[in-house]
Amino acid sequence: EIVLTQSPATLSLSPGERVTLSCRASQSVDSYLAWYQQKPGQAPRLLIYDASNRATGVPARFSGSGSGTDFTLTISSLEPEDFAVYFCQQRISWPPYTFGQGTKLDIK
Amino acid sequence: QVRLVESGGGVFQPGRSLRLSCAASGFTFSNFGMHWVRQAPGKGLEWVGVIWYDGTNRYYGDSVQGRSTVSRDNSNNTLYLHLNSLSAEDTAVYYCARDRMIFGVVGNMDVWGQGTTVIVSS
Repeated sequence: EIVLTQSPATLSLSPGERVTLSCRASQSVDSYLAWYQQKPGQAPRLLIYDASNRATGVPARFSGSGSGTDFTLTISSLEPEDFAVYFCQQRISWPPYTFGQGTKLDIK
Repeated sequence: QVRLVESGGGVFQPGRSLRLSCAASGFTFSNFGMHWVRQAPGKGLEWVGVIWYDGTNRYYGDSVQGRSTVSRDNSNNTLYLHLNSLSAEDTAVYYCARDRMIFGVVGNMDVWGQGTTVIVSS
């Protein structure tokens, strides 16, 4: 099973700031990594798939990069609605599809 | 609009079984693979299982392997999860989710339901 490790666990930032979240895989997942956003009390939402492809309706301020074992999700300028938990997920080696433990983005 | 609505959650005794349902609308259900994903209280996401768009293939996560069945009724646009031998570790919000790919499964979930809560407790 591929283990995904996200860092940091929590980030405290202000609206307008740029943020980069990290996801590291225990072995190569090629480019088959996705990012999801989850707000309190809501279901996750697919943001990025295959490392760098934005899902339908996702704002351009969200971008993903990386390949192999190291990936990043960047939000170019934080909006108030971006404060949430972000999960990465791999789909190259399954079952099972696995998720990272999440990074919580807090308002400073 | 595209919508998934789960039902069937509640409080269950250890050792018992449950059946969750997921009603789909707003898209051609029979064209998409479907997943179940769960989230224990305050924890991350755990993939439970997937069923192909036509029901021909099903795969499960390690923690439910051998005691779960994912099924679907394409004529009624409904997905199901049967889970047996419940334990406290099955306590979670259970989400159904649509696979991103039409006529295939690629393992990304692009539409999610709101979730149904399962509590396993005596």
